[in-house]
Amino acid sequence: GQQLNQSPQSMFIQEGEDVSMNCTSSSIFNTWLWYKQDPGEGPVLLIALYKAGELTSNGRLTAQFGITRKDSFLNISASIPSDVGIYFCAGHKRDDKIIFGKGTRLHILP
Amino acid sequence: GAVVSQHPSWVICKSGTSVKIECRSLDFQATTMFWYRQFPKQSLMLMATSNEGSKATYEQGVEKDKFLINHASLTLSTLTVTSAHPEDSSFYICSAPREGSTDTQYFGPGTRLTVL
Repeated sequence: GQQLNQSPQSMFIQEGEDVSMNCTSSSIFNTWLWYKQDPGEGPVLLIALYKAGELTSNGRLTAQFGITRKDSFLNISASIPSDVGIYFCAGHKRDDKIIFGKGTRLHILP
Repeated sequence: GAVVSQHPSWVICKSGTSVKIECRSLDFQATTMFWYRQFPKQSLMLMATSNEGSKATYEQGVEKDKFLINHASLTLSTLTVTSAHPEDSSFYICSAPREGSTDTQYFGPGTRLTVL
């Protein structure tokens, strides 16, 4: 079946550092979505990307829809403690279900 | 603020009982809602698509008689875990697409089910 390869699986960083994570697929998607999930809660939509090459920011977060439509990345600048959580990428094809990556766990070292 | 709500947020039940979980879209209509299951430290696994006015569509390997879905109105879908067993313990999350969109999903806060 379709899979999204999300990396890294986990990250340990110092507060203030920038973070970068990405998702790749062998399939082309029409939409890329990035979500954050805190423990015991549902995922919260961070950024939605609808067009190849699109670069979108949401505060300290920036995400891009790859030109090939098979990948996307998410960057977080100047990380803060509340950035801790699990970040999921998700890809969607028209009239098809959304496929989720396995998540990137972000840890911030004290 | 939250656009999709779930109730209850957590439930503990005895083995063999049935548990109903509600998913509501707030201030918008959702003809389609999605139910996911998430095991600890895992990604979300789509269980079924809930369709208002028609039968739910289940993913391969998901027992439709075990996980009953009813899309009662344009703002409410329910998932009933029938004759629950400990292996059904999990985090259940619903989602609804933004009105006029089929791709951007808004998720509920999830329901933690523990079956003793």
